[in-house]
Amino acid sequence: GAVVSQHPSWVICKSGTSVKIECRSLDFQATTMFWYRQFPKQSLMLMATSNEGSKATYEQGVEKDKFLINHASLTLSTLTVTSAHPEDSSFYICSATVGLAGYEQYFGPGTRLTVT
Amino acid sequence: AQTVTQSQPEMSVQEAETVTLSCTYDTSESDYYLFWYKQPPSRQMILVIRQEAYKQQNATENRFSVNFQKAAKSFSLKISDSQLGDAAMYFCAYRSGYNFNKFYFGSGTKLNVKP
Repeated sequence: GAVVSQHPSWVICKSGTSVKIECRSLDFQATTMFWYRQFPKQSLMLMATSNEGSKATYEQGVEKDKFLINHASLTLSTLTVTSAHPEDSSFYICSATVGLAGYEQYFGPGTRLTVT
Repeated sequence: AQTVTQSQPEMSVQEAETVTLSCTYDTSESDYYLFWYKQPPSRQMILVIRQEAYKQQNATENRFSVNFQKAAKSFSLKISDSQLGDAAMYFCAYRSGYNFNKFYFGSGTKLNVKP
C-alpha cells in the first residue's frame, strides 16, 4: 500500500517552455503533498507543501510564479515549471502523507527534468 | 528551525559485516519523529525505519536498528549482516510533532558495500 506515482519520469524541454509534472497517490488519499528538488549527490530540498483545495505553501527562496503547484484532489498534485531555463534542470520528487497526523512520507519515483 | 546533521558523507562496509551511520539533530521540541530513508541508484526513496520521540525503546526492523539517544539528540542507524543491496544513500529525517508539514533531511551518507 501507500504508492505514489510521478509522471513523466524524464522530460526534456526547450528553454522558455513550461512543463508539468504530475504526482498521484494511487491507493490512498493524500492530505498533504510535498515537492522536493534534488541536485546530484545532494539532499532533498523542500520546495513547497500543498493541501488539497488550498494554496501551496512555498519555502523561502522558491519562486511561486515559476513553480506553480496545484493540489486539485486528494490524489493528485501537479508542479508546473514555467518558462524553464537550464538552471531548472534537476530531479524533482513528490511525496505524500496519509491523514493529518500521518507519520512518514511516501515518495514518488521522481522526475528528471532537463532544459536545453 | 530544526537541523539534521549527518557527519559521514561516505562509508564502506564489508558484506555480512555491521555498520553504523550517524545522525544528530537540533530541536527545542519535545514531540517529533525521526526516520531513516534509503535512496538506491534508482533514486526511489524508501523508508527504512521510524522512531517516535516519546518511545524510549529503540526501533528495529529486521537487520536495521537505531540507537536513539534523546538527551544527546542522536539517532544512529545500525545495519547488521550488510548485503550488497544495502548500498545506497541514506538520509536521516526529522518531522515535527507540532507542525506535520515540517520535514528536515540530513545531507546523506553514501554507503558502499564491498563483496
